Amino acid sequence: AQTVTQSQPEMSVQEAETVTLSCTYDTSESDYYLFWYKQPPSRQMILVIRQEAYKQQNATENRFSVNFQKAAKSFSLKISDSQLGDAAMYFCAYGTDSGYALNFGKGTSLLVTP
Amino acid sequence: KAGVTQTPRYLIKTRGQQVTLSCSPISGHRSVSWYQQTPGQGLQFLFEYFSETQRNKGNFPGRFSGRQFSNSRSEMNVSTLELGDSALYLCASKVSGSANTGELFFGEGSRLTVL
Repeated sequence: AQTVTQSQPEMSVQEAETVTLSCTYDTSESDYYLFWYKQPPSRQMILVIRQEAYKQQNATENRFSVNFQKAAKSFSLKISDSQLGDAAMYFCAYGTDSGYALNFGKGTSLLVTP
Repeated sequence: KAGVTQTPRYLIKTRGQQVTLSCSPISGHRSVSWYQQTPGQGLQFLFEYFSETQRNKGNFPGRFSGRQFSNSRSEMNVSTLELGDSALYLCASKVSGSANTGELFFGEGSRLTVL
C-alpha cells in the first residue's frame, strides 16, 4: 500500500519569509500524481499544486513550488513570500490514474506570524 | 460552475442513532468519493462511486455505507453511531476519462458530533 508521510506536524514562518514543508511517500508504481492541498481553518480544502511523476521539471504556481525527487520519493512544498492567508493545514497526497482514492499524509499545520 | 455541495454542514447525534449525509458533485463529474477526517487519523478514505457503482471501499466497518444516484449525487449513511464516528466527513468529486488529472475537488464537509 502506498503511504504518505509528513514528518512536521507544525511549522511556523514569518510574513514575507520562505518555508518548506516536507513529504515522503512509498510506492512501487512508476507513474503517479502528487499533490499539495491546503485546508484553512473551517474552510474548504483546495489544491495548491500538482506534480506528475513522469515530469522531471518541478511544478510552480506563483509563490508555491515543489522539489520533486523521484528516486528519493520526496515531494516538498516551498512557500515564498509567506502571507497571513497562507496559514492553514497542508496535506500531501498521492494518487494514480488507476486508483480510486488519494492517500493523504497526516498534515502540517502552518502558522504565519506578522 | 458550482462547486461540490455537502449537506448538512453540521449535525449532532446521539450514540446508536443513524445519519445520512448528502453530496452533490461538480456538474459533469461522475466520480464521487468520501473521506473521514479526524485530528488523530487525518483523512481516511471511505468509498468511491462512479456511475452508481461503488468501485472501491476503505477499511471501515459495515455501519458505513453509501450510494450514488443517476444524477451523480451521492449519500453516505452511518448506522448505530459511536462516539468515535465524530468527524468531518468530506466529499470530493473528480473528472473522469481523458480529462482526469487525478485532482479531487472537495466540498466544505459535514461535521458530525456524536454525543
